[in-house]
Amino acid sequence: EVQLVESGGGLVQPGGSLRLSCAASGFTFSSYWMHWVRQAPGKGLVWVSRINSDGSSTSYADSVKGRFTISRDNAKNTLYLQMNSLRAEDTAVYYCARDSPTGYHIDYWGQGTLVTVSS
Amino acid sequence: QSVLTQPPSVSGAPGQRVTISCTGSSSNIGAGYDVHWYQQLPGTAPKLLIYGNSNRPSGVPDRFSGSKSGTSASLAITGLQAEDEADYYCQSYDSSLVFGGGTKLTVL
Repeated sequence: EVQLVESGGGLVQPGGSLRLSCAASGFTFSSYWMHWVRQAPGKGLVWVSRINSDGSSTSYADSVKGRFTISRDNAKNTLYLQMNSLRAEDTAVYYCARDSPTGYHIDYWGQGTLVTVSS
Repeated sequence: QSVLTQPPSVSGAPGQRVTISCTGSSSNIGAGYDVHWYQQLPGTAPKLLIYGNSNRPSGVPDRFSGSKSGTSASLAITGLQAEDEADYYCQSYDSSLVFGGGTKLTVL
C-alpha cells in the first residue's frame, strides 16, 4: 500500500525557515517523480514544486522560486521541502504527492502538514 | 486566479445527476494535455477520481465519469449520494501542474 507521511509543519514567524519531510513507503520511491502541493485555509490546491526521480531536475512555482528548495534522499525514501523567508501568504496545508507514471498528474497524496506563518 | 475555471458550487438531490465544468485555454487543455479530477472529502487529503480525461482508478464507482472537448472538460456524477458531498478539482498541465479553483458539491 502506497503511504506518504508528511511532518515538520508548525508555527513560524515571518522571515523564518522550516523544513518539511515526507516519508514514502509501499512503492519504489527512487523510480517516481514527486511533488509538493499546498492549500491555504479555505482555498484551492496550488502546485508548489516537483523533483524528478534521481533529484537532478527540479521545478518551482513563481511564488516560491528562490525561497523554497525541494530535495530527496532515495536511500531514506524521503522527500523534503526547505522553506526560507516565509511569508504570511505561505500559510497552508502542504501535501506531498506522487507523480503518476502515466504522466502529468498525481496518483497518491499524503495527509498533509499545516504550516502557519504568523507573528 | 486559477488557470483552470470551475464553478464555485453545484448541488443536487440524492439520485440526481450533476456535472462540473472545467474550462482551460489553448496552452493547457486545448494543447492536448489530459484533464484529471480529484475528490476532497471534508477534512481529508485529495484523492484521484478520474485520470486521462475519462479513466477511473480501481475502486472509484462508475457513477463518476469524465469527458474532454476542445479547451474544456466535465465531470459527471450520476445517482448522487450523500457521501459524494465534497470539493472537486480539475487539473491539467501548462508548463507545470495547474488546478481549477475547486467546486463544492452539496447534496440536498
